[in-house]
Amino acid sequence: SQQGEEDPQALSIQEGENATMNCSYKTSINNLQWYRQNSGRGLVHLILIRSNEREKHSGRLRVTLDTSKKSSSLLITASRAADTASYFCATEPTGPGNTGKLIFGQGTTLQVKP
Amino acid sequence: DAGITQSPRHKVTETGTPVTLRCHQTENHRYMYWYRQDPGHGLRLIHYSYGVKDTDKGEVSDGYSVSRSKTEDFLLTLESATSSQTSVYFCAIRTSDRSTDTQYFGPGTRLTVL
Repeated sequence: SQQGEEDPQALSIQEGENATMNCSYKTSINNLQWYRQNSGRGLVHLILIRSNEREKHSGRLRVTLDTSKKSSSLLITASRAADTASYFCATEPTGPGNTGKLIFGQGTTLQVKP
Repeated sequence: DAGITQSPRHKVTETGTPVTLRCHQTENHRYMYWYRQDPGHGLRLIHYSYGVKDTDKGEVSDGYSVSRSKTEDFLLTLESATSSQTSVYFCAIRTSDRSTDTQYFGPGTRLTVL
């Protein structure tokens, strides 16, 4: 079963606005990662936040992690048309070994209108 | 793209035929993964490998087998393809250094089973 649930499933905003996507998960994790997928392409890694971190920034991206609520959010500030894509959260559950296995959410489709 | 290629990129086959998808990497990474992506399910892990001849099952391994005889190649085989295996298949490799633990994805293979 899917570990991550993402909300909203779809989001449409105007260029320049901020976009916020949320991810919830079910089990203890080592880290949570966000990926972007442009239509018809492979996934591109955006940012990783470890379980002992609460917030992380990378350029226009801000990720928060609340392990007590088992949730994360991705904020894209000052969005651009080029940010139009699907965004996925992925969690690496704790467990034996260091396999790097990821469990993905179903994704949020973001449309940024020029 | 971390030097990941997948072949073929597109394939149409008939139910009951065997199919092998190939993932090739050029950077000698230890961990490799096969995922399938379906609408409404996000990405789901099929199998993964943690070294030559070392593989393990993922979330949706039934009907699939894998082999890794060389570090650079990870093969996914559908012994007898079924229509439910129509999907987009992504290969990924894992990099790991002090600050990141990232998966890089190949471009995907679109498989249609008629």
